Amino acid sequence: DTEVTQTPKHLVMGMTNKKSLKCEQHMGHRAMYWYKQKAKKPPELMFVYSYEKLSINESVPSRFSPECPNSSLLNLHLHALQPEDSALYLCASRGAEGQGDTQYFGPGTRLTVL
Amino acid sequence: AQSVTQLGSHVSVSEGALVLLRCNYSSSVPPYLFWYVQYPNQGLQLLLKYTTGATLVKGINGFEAEFKKSETSFHLTKPSAHMSDAAEYFCAVKNYGGSQGNLIFGKGTKLSVKP
Repeated sequence: DTEVTQTPKHLVMGMTNKKSLKCEQHMGHRAMYWYKQKAKKPPELMFVYSYEKLSINESVPSRFSPECPNSSLLNLHLHALQPEDSALYLCASRGAEGQGDTQYFGPGTRLTVL
Repeated sequence: AQSVTQLGSHVSVSEGALVLLRCNYSSSVPPYLFWYVQYPNQGLQLLLKYTTGATLVKGINGFEAEFKKSETSFHLTKPSAHMSDAAEYFCAVKNYGGSQGNLIFGKGTKLSVKP
């Protein structure tokens, strides 16, 4: 099973709201990623977690706050977002070196900020 | 540093025709290369990958790609296009430069299939 799940599928929020995106995988992968994808563009890396520790933050504004409560779960907490943050947010997990370093992506959360 | 260039932001073929999507890479180390497909409002699905070994790689849905080191290319092909192949296709290379095995994506090629 190479499934990564994400909830919710769609999210509409105002600029003063606080919401969270959730990502889950049960493949035993120890690296998990958040990407942001705007229309007609490739995914852009936001955060990388390795063994539940934040290892990469690609200069993402503090209104995005990631969390990795355990090896299967990854959250992205959202607060005071701007309309330009509207995008498809993708989660991915990566297998070990011996598994070809393949990243498996979830279906994404379509976020709209009003 | 690694990089990927996809030639052609939009490719249109007729149903039953050959599909050829071009990808060239730049890498100072032996690359790991990937092709992903994205259908509208969905995540990325792995089509195929090259790590080591056989240079002709077969993937899902009848797609294949050939790693050509001399040409620094990893073009994606399918002998006969189906309407269901219409989607966005991304070529990617593993980034050895730092970001925990992150992928570096090309800009994508939108494939349209005409009946």
